[in-house]
Amino acid sequence: DAGITQSPRHKVTETGTPVTLRCHQTENHRYMYWYRQDPGHGLRLIHYSYGVKDTDKGEVSDGYSVSRSKTEDFLLTLESATSSQTSVYFCAISADRSTEAFFGQGTRLTVV
Amino acid sequence: SQQGEEDPQALSIQEGENATMNCSYKTSINNLQWYRQNSGRGLVHLILIRSNEREKHSGRLRVTLDTSKKSSSLLITASRAADTASYFCATGPTSGTYKYIFGTGTRLKVLA
Repeated sequence: DAGITQSPRHKVTETGTPVTLRCHQTENHRYMYWYRQDPGHGLRLIHYSYGVKDTDKGEVSDGYSVSRSKTEDFLLTLESATSSQTSVYFCAISADRSTEAFFGQGTRLTVV
Repeated sequence: SQQGEEDPQALSIQEGENATMNCSYKTSINNLQWYRQNSGRGLVHLILIRSNEREKHSGRLRVTLDTSKKSSSLLITASRAADTASYFCATGPTSGTYKYIFGTGTRLKVLA
């Protein structure tokens, strides 16, 4: 299995609080991604990174920000959590654009 | 909007039967990938087919790609109860992008 770890695995937070999810990889892959998965929507891309300090928006980026200060870590921050951000969040990594992506085990976030 | 759309959304078959899932996409691609997700788990990469390939095999899996129709199919032969999962197609990044875009998935249930 690819060395990719998400933390925390589960989190319950209150509306309006900031939340940071962490994705850590040991594969030295260049590309990292954050997705959210919701029933009926499949996986939707939030943000991605194509190198240290190089990030870009996906299709559902509103209310989220990311940072990548090191190759191995990609942080996803919910600036002010809302109930609509209750979801399962997946991090993925890939070595280059023509290869497969490897996924973490997911973080289940509940905003109450 | 989703790049890949799987069909059917749900499929229930008997053990030993073949299962076929289809994926349609909208724009040109570099490659197309299929993933499996067991309930509550992360996605696992199954097979990647490049845009210049028409068919690819891996064990009991057969993937076809028709770029003229912008469609792909995944065939699982001699299905087993352990194949019960959701299956997703994803279009790989083309020149100028780094995104893997996923469809909404097919839920496969194999009855013992």
